[in-house]
Amino acid sequence: KAGVTQTPRYLIKTRGQQVTLSCSPISGHRSVSWYQQTPGQGLQFLFEYFSETQRNKGNFPGRFSGRQFSNSRSEMNVSTLELGDSALYLCASSSDGLGAQHFGDGTRLSIL
Amino acid sequence: GQQVMQIPQYQHVQEGEDFTTYCNSSTTLSNIQWYKQRPGGHPVFLIQLVKSGEVKKQKRLTFQFGEAKKNSSLHITATQTTDVGTYFCAGPPGNTGKLIFGQGTTLQVKP
Repeated sequence: KAGVTQTPRYLIKTRGQQVTLSCSPISGHRSVSWYQQTPGQGLQFLFEYFSETQRNKGNFPGRFSGRQFSNSRSEMNVSTLELGDSALYLCASSSDGLGAQHFGDGTRLSIL
Repeated sequence: GQQVMQIPQYQHVQEGEDFTTYCNSSTTLSNIQWYKQRPGGHPVFLIQLVKSGEVKKQKRLTFQFGEAKKNSSLHITATQTTDVGTYFCAGPPGNTGKLIFGQGTTLQVKP
């Protein structure tokens, strides 16, 4: 079974730009969660999608948004990028959202 | 807000010594999960505990879930250099439906 695939692996953007990250979950998994990982803040929950609906949301500003498609693939969008958005963005899939999370390799986003 | 705290933040041990990391939640967790992240890698699921007082073992790793379902521990016996990494606990507080991760404990093992 193929694992969770995230693209791209690396991104360099400048302040004010926007970015879209993609995540393909494990086949059969309907839940996709997104996390931001930084050295200072650890793993911060962004949001979770299940069957194309956002089911849970973390404490991030509205610049962070996402969506899920009918094939369970998910995208995350960050608009008006700030320096503080530099981080590793991890996507995880699971069968039900609260069970074992299977993480992708992440997208490392750098803001200049 | 709901928090999951882990201690210690860092631990350096000599190879062969034991290691323990503790996880505490401000609210009851419906389950507790443990993950390991190697340097440069992504978190990898290790185990999930669901029952109050549950204890599970995986070779040299022992996981416990507290009676009140608010705390958990991971104990590694006779550490090896392959145990190096950051260990995270995670759980969904109450009925929030969100999986909250602890800050992690980074383990260094000196050969």
